[in-house]
Amino acid sequence: KQEVTQIPAALSVPEGENLVLNCSFTDSAIYNLQWFRQDPGKGLTSLLLIQSSQREQTSGRLNASLDKSSGRSTLYIAASQPGDSATYLCAVSNTGKLIFGQGTTLQVKP
Amino acid sequence: DTEVTQTPKHLVMGMTNKKSLKCEQHMGHRAMYWYKQKAKKPPELMFVYSYEKLSINESVPSRFSPECPNSSLLNLHLHALQPEDSALYLCASSPGMTVQPQHFGDGTRLSIL
Repeated sequence: KQEVTQIPAALSVPEGENLVLNCSFTDSAIYNLQWFRQDPGKGLTSLLLIQSSQREQTSGRLNASLDKSSGRSTLYIAASQPGDSATYLCAVSNTGKLIFGQGTTLQVKP
Repeated sequence: DTEVTQTPKHLVMGMTNKKSLKCEQHMGHRAMYWYKQKAKKPPELMFVYSYEKLSINESVPSRFSPECPNSSLLNLHLHALQPEDSALYLCASSPGMTVQPQHFGDGTRLSIL
């Protein structure tokens, strides 16, 4: 059974810091991995999608990497801003299902 | 603005009521999903429709009844719910069941009295 773990559960940083969020999964037989952002009381916004054949994806200040063999992904956020404060979820996809981690709640202080 | 629209945004109902949640997308996606999310937890998959046919039911109690009238609409019919069913219900869509990314709506906040 696929299990997805995110570390840390919560993170508080001052504005301007670069930071890394971690995601690990137990079964490497995945189609792809997604990183989502969720603001309080809102739905999920897809940030980055990495196909199983890819190693990384970039969008603006965000960079996500994928190492299938070790079952790990990282989300790198450069020059963090208070507007980045949210919960970040990673999810792996196989057979049409998304399996989510528990999320990392990020607070960026001005 | 989200491309997946869910109504209503909030719903309060008694345990004997019957109500429906609605979800609409106009992106031409052929897979649609219902998730349940409790506070401070990740979303849990409930149902998946692919080409308007139910493909996955994650052993959801029969008091939740999904319906996909056409490729753009997804409903979740609710009947005789329990207080523990109070949660945020999220709808999502994707180009296909194994084709990501999934696009999520903002959800319906459901409270059972």
